[in-house]
Amino acid sequence: DIQMTQSPSSLSASVGDRVTITCRASQAINVWLVWYQQKPETAPRPLIYAASSLQSGVPSRFSGSGSGTDFTLTISSLQPEDFATYYCQQYNSYPYTFGQGTKLEIK
Amino acid sequence: QVQLVESGGGVVQPGRSLRLSCAASGFTFSNYAMHWVRQAPGKGLEWVTVISYDGNDKYYADSVKGRFTISRDNSKNTLYLQMNGLRVEDTAVFYCARDREKLVLGDAFDIWGQGTMVTVSS
Repeated sequence: DIQMTQSPSSLSASVGDRVTITCRASQAINVWLVWYQQKPETAPRPLIYAASSLQSGVPSRFSGSGSGTDFTLTISSLQPEDFATYYCQQYNSYPYTFGQGTKLEIK
Repeated sequence: QVQLVESGGGVVQPGRSLRLSCAASGFTFSNYAMHWVRQAPGKGLEWVTVISYDGNDKYYADSVKGRFTISRDNSKNTLYLQMNGLRVEDTAVFYCARDREKLVLGDAFDIWGQGTMVTVSS
């Protein structure tokens, strides 16, 4: 199985900050990576698919990059509604696997 | 409006069975592969299983293989998860989710249901 490792596990930041979350795959997955945002008691919301393609309706302050084994999610200017937990997930092969999550908290 | 609505969750004793349903609306259900993903309380996301758009292909996580069975009824626009031999560690919110692209097997998810809680406890 492909292991996905996110860093950091938690992050404190302020409104307006630029934030980067990293996801590393244990083997190459091309660009078959998706980023989700999840708020408490709600389903995950897709943000980025194919490593860098913005899901429809997602603000342009979210961006993704990477290929192979190393990927990043960047939020260019944090807004109050962005404080949530973020997950990466590979869909290169089954079983699909998720990172452990990064909890983004208000500083 | 594209929507997935799960049902069938509840409290069940270890070793018993439960069947979850996921009702789809607002899109051509028979064109999309469908997944189940679960999340234990306070934990991360775990992919459980997938079924192809035509029902011919299925894959399972090792943690549920041999105990859970995914199926679909395209005439009823409904996805199912039959869960047998439930264990305490199966306690989780179960989400159904749709592949982003139609007529493929192996894509990101773009639509998720709201989830249904399954609690396995004696």
